[in-house]
Amino acid sequence: EVQLLQSGGGLVQPGGSLRLSCAASGFTFSTYAMGWVRQAPGKGLEWVSGSSSNGANTYYADSVEGRFTISRDNSRNILYLQMNSLRAEDTAVYYCARRGSGSPSPFDYWGQGTLVTVSS
Amino acid sequence: EIVMTQSPATLSMSPGERATLSCRASQSVSSNVAWYLQKPGQAPRLLIYDASTRATGVPARFSGSGSGTEFTLTISSLQSEDFAVYYCQQYHNWWAFGQGTKVEIK
Repeated sequence: EVQLLQSGGGLVQPGGSLRLSCAASGFTFSTYAMGWVRQAPGKGLEWVSGSSSNGANTYYADSVEGRFTISRDNSRNILYLQMNSLRAEDTAVYYCARRGSGSPSPFDYWGQGTLVTVSS
Repeated sequence: EIVMTQSPATLSMSPGERATLSCRASQSVSSNVAWYLQKPGQAPRLLIYDASTRATGVPARFSGSGSGTEFTLTISSLQSEDFAVYYCQQYHNWWAFGQGTKVEIK
């Protein structure tokens, strides 16, 4: 069974940093591209970042470019999102998601989500 | 940047009725469109990909159509568990979501 178990959310002050983790199981993690999607309170879904299967290629939405870094440890089956210079508008539930096999593909499995609150 | 626009924002329907949700892309995305269902407090669930292919385990009452810039999700007979928010997504060029359509009980 495919599972994506997230951790690392919480309350952080504006300008602060936070790292999210997404532990994958039930599939060969190193062969799948992965991504992060967020959802501000009461709002819709916003794609944030993506990583190729080997981590060599990474992609970011304009809203987080230069502040967020996606990475992965394929030996431990973990996806990360390092978030720096956080702003109030980064407050959201963050989801990690697996991109389906083949290219292009949508996100076929999602983590449970983790809340990040940026506030003083 | 490809922008996805969904309509209507809210659809008030009764159980058993047919629901039709629309999604328009700002430029052609071929058939690289997916539909997701999201219930409160839950992660989105993939329903349809490649514009018209149902994901594993998705009931046959859900169907998708379209290509290029115009896409439709149809729910042939609404069940109680179908009242939720639906998002379209293009994955032709990176990824982008529509703003969502809420299907509510009339």
